[in-house]
Amino acid sequence: ETGVTQTPRHLVMGMTNKKSLKCEQHLGHNAMYWYKQSAKKPLELMFVYNFKEQTENNSVPSRFSPECPNSSHLFLHLHTLQPEDSALYLCASSQSLGGGKAGELFFGEGSRLTVL
Amino acid sequence: AQTVTQSQPEMSVQEAETVTLSCTYDTSESDYYLFWYKQPPSRQMILVIRQEAYKQQNATENRFSVNFQKAAKSFSLKISDSQLGDAAMYFCAHRPGSNYKLTFGKGTLLTVNP
Repeated sequence: ETGVTQTPRHLVMGMTNKKSLKCEQHLGHNAMYWYKQSAKKPLELMFVYNFKEQTENNSVPSRFSPECPNSSHLFLHLHTLQPEDSALYLCASSQSLGGGKAGELFFGEGSRLTVL
Repeated sequence: AQTVTQSQPEMSVQEAETVTLSCTYDTSESDYYLFWYKQPPSRQMILVIRQEAYKQQNATENRFSVNFQKAAKSFSLKISDSQLGDAAMYFCAHRPGSNYKLTFGKGTLLTVNP
């Protein structure tokens, strides 16, 4: 039991496809995050949700559309992606958005996305 | 804005030996936290150790310890008695005390040789 589960683990899609990434946390946390991890680059924060309300969109292109139906589930809907969007997408959760131990992140294993 | 620099893209260590991973950071915050995360080949990122900036004592977690030099803005990770399971990508990260925004370094890939 990892606490934060992401599906699918691997996804290959064409530039015109529509697909979704799913994240589920079993930790009772209130905040959830999407990060993008590209080779040789620092992790990039994409979106943040707190109590299922979006609190941050870090200038992410509209071809990425997040959805948070409740505090336990987070989706990333993908549409008309570009090859440069190929990366590992990590979901994370935390008890709260604040500082201290309550704000510490727990990560999922990631979804490896390849855009052809 | 915060920056985190890991100057060693790759490191290797012999099993049972000690290795130190370097990290420097830049911040204008007076209250902040520093972290080392480990990402094994299975890819789940896990927290190895955390350090509160207001604490002078270096954090320790079993075989993992840090050397926190606040004035120099340096935060290195020492792994003692290295084990094969320590092989992973290690990320240094900074977070202001007031919010959730983590800034990561680019990572150091650690190889442990038997």
